[in-house]
Amino acid sequence: QVQLQESGPGLVKPSETLSLTCAVSGYSVNSLSFWVWIRQPPGKGLEWIGRISHSGVTYYNPSLTSRVAISMDTSKNQISLRLSSVTAADTAVYYCARRGAGIYWGQGTLVTVSS
Amino acid sequence: QAVVTQEPSLTVSPGGTVTLTCGSSTGAVASGHYPHWFQQKPGQAPRTLIYDTNNKHSWTPARFSGSLLGGKAALTLSGAQPEDEAEYYCLLSYGGSGVFGGGTKLTVL
Repeated sequence: QVQLQESGPGLVKPSETLSLTCAVSGYSVNSLSFWVWIRQPPGKGLEWIGRISHSGVTYYNPSLTSRVAISMDTSKNQISLRLSSVTAADTAVYYCARRGAGIYWGQGTLVTVSS
Repeated sequence: QAVVTQEPSLTVSPGGTVTLTCGSSTGAVASGHYPHWFQQKPGQAPRTLIYDTNNKHSWTPARFSGSLLGGKAALTLSGAQPEDEAEYYCLLSYGGSGVFGGGTKLTVL
């Protein structure tokens, strides 16, 4: 059974870089899958941030592509998200998910951007 | 970037049937958009109900089904239960990228 656990700082200052990791258990990140980051601002809908394939190919939301990077660490079996130059608009619950036969979600982690 | 549209809100009576739709600004939704449907209840993470148009997870209640209907992706709920009251989101794929719809708030009343 695949489990995904997001972690990272719950508070980030404006203009700094948000860094999150998604620890994967029960499945190897370099096995056939896509790994996706999704976010949800408080009280709002879901936004697709980007994805990385098991072979390391990335796709990003065009509205975020200049600020976002998704990477994979096979030695730690985890996926990472970096979002630079954050503003209050980046305050959200951040989810990682595995796209295989269906999409399997982590529980999410709230990141607040505030000074 | 494409815009994905959903009904903002719908109401269904207990035991009734309702269809939620998911449209694309680029034209008709096709199987190649790999439509997904998610259910989210307050304070919870979303969970996937339907993937790749009409496939169900092991936890998906049998009363939910997915299809393509009139150029859109559709989620049909037959025999609504009070616990089905939730927000429902669709996701369409465009090449390597994904775009969520704005969500439909479903009320069972």
